[in-house]
Amino acid sequence: AQSVAQPEDQVNVAEGNPLTVKCTYSVSGNPYLFWYVQYPNRGLQFLLKYITGDNLVKGSYGFEAEFNKSQTSFHLKKPSALVSDSALYFCAVRLYNFNKFYFGSGTKLNVKP
Amino acid sequence: SAVISQKPSRDICQRGTSLTIQCQVDSQVTMMFWYRQQPGQSLTLIATANQGSEATYESGFVIDKFPISRPNLTFSTLTVSNMSPEDSSIYLCSVDSTGELFFGEGSRLTVL
Repeated sequence: AQSVAQPEDQVNVAEGNPLTVKCTYSVSGNPYLFWYVQYPNRGLQFLLKYITGDNLVKGSYGFEAEFNKSQTSFHLKKPSALVSDSALYFCAVRLYNFNKFYFGSGTKLNVKP
Repeated sequence: SAVISQKPSRDICQRGTSLTIQCQVDSQVTMMFWYRQQPGQSLTLIATANQGSEATYESGFVIDKFPISRPNLTFSTLTVSNMSPEDSSIYLCSVDSTGELFFGEGSRLTVL
């Protein structure tokens, strides 16, 4: 069975510090990996994706993520957090030949001034 | 990308009634998806809606409870039937465009 795990329900970080939101996956095949962000009372917004190629992908709002095949991880990172980054972040995985997305449980990011 | 409009954005409903949520996309898309997101929780796929065929439902969701229409390539509706307080949730429409999902703003449903 395909699954995505976000081991942290919540991540707290001070503004200006680097942030990491963790994601690991378990799939039987080659995955496409995604990060989405959800602000309060809003739908999900696409941040970035890994399909193939360079393991480090860059996305919107200064976020980046690193694909690690051996550790089956796709952690989201940002060098310097902003208070406005506070939101709910979802990791998702999709198999290349299927249309179904599997979402993690979400991680609430709190960036404090 | 795709721009998705959902209506209503929120509603408060009485137990036993039904509500239809509309989803309009600004471009033609083959596949549309309906998700449910309970407060503070992750997304659960309800069904996949393809134009010209019946929707495909995930385990735990049935057509009688969540009938879906897909009359054309830019529009879909989800009905939540015979609602109970357990149906209180955010319902999200999404489409697959350029390999990633795009989401509507969601319809926040409260059942009293």
